[in-house]
Amino acid sequence: GNSVTQMEGPVTLSEEAFLTINCTYTATGYPSLFWYVQYPGEGLQLLLKATKADDKGSNKGFEATYRKETTSFHLEKGSVQVSDSAVYFCALRKFSGGYNKLIFGAGTRLAVHP
Amino acid sequence: EAQVTQNPRYLITVTGKKLTVTCSQNMNHEYMSWYRQDPGLGLRQIYYSMNVEVTDKGDVPEGYKVSRKEKRNFPLILESPSPNQTSLYFCASTRAGQGRNEQFFGPGTRLTVL
Repeated sequence: GNSVTQMEGPVTLSEEAFLTINCTYTATGYPSLFWYVQYPGEGLQLLLKATKADDKGSNKGFEATYRKETTSFHLEKGSVQVSDSAVYFCALRKFSGGYNKLIFGAGTRLAVHP
Repeated sequence: EAQVTQNPRYLITVTGKKLTVTCSQNMNHEYMSWYRQDPGLGLRQIYYSMNVEVTDKGDVPEGYKVSRKEKRNFPLILESPSPNQTSLYFCASTRAGQGRNEQFFGPGTRLTVL
């Protein structure tokens, strides 16, 4: 079946450190891949996405590349800020039965300290 | 402003007391979904609706009901809540079709069942 596996958190970093959050997926066919971010007390917001192999999604300094050969979509940022503290969810989307279904990973909490 | 709204945002109730969480979107989206978010499990889909009067079970539908009488509204009903339904609930909506349509999330409803 379709599934998403993320590295367990929490991830604790100092400001300006490099961030990597690993995400791998299992799916048939060619799903679209997403990273969502959830700031404290808020709903999920789309951070970036990639819809085909080798696509790179980017937004707010975050990047992730769709790697079909390794079935991965790792999230990276070169220099994190305190305001990046949030929970990050990797997700895949499959069109099945007339419906676009999102399947989420467990989420990774990021805490950035000054 | 395009948005998904949920009410209430916080609710504490007791076992067996029926409750309804409302969800409304102003984007004329066909698809709407309910998810629950639990630590270590990410978001899991409870029910979804592809249009008015069309609903179907997601991955964890037991103990929940939904209805879709109007396009904009998709209430979640717990007929007899139990403590294992204590969770954070999110409503989401998106346009129909296989295209690259973003899913918009509400702010969440934190439910505690005593």
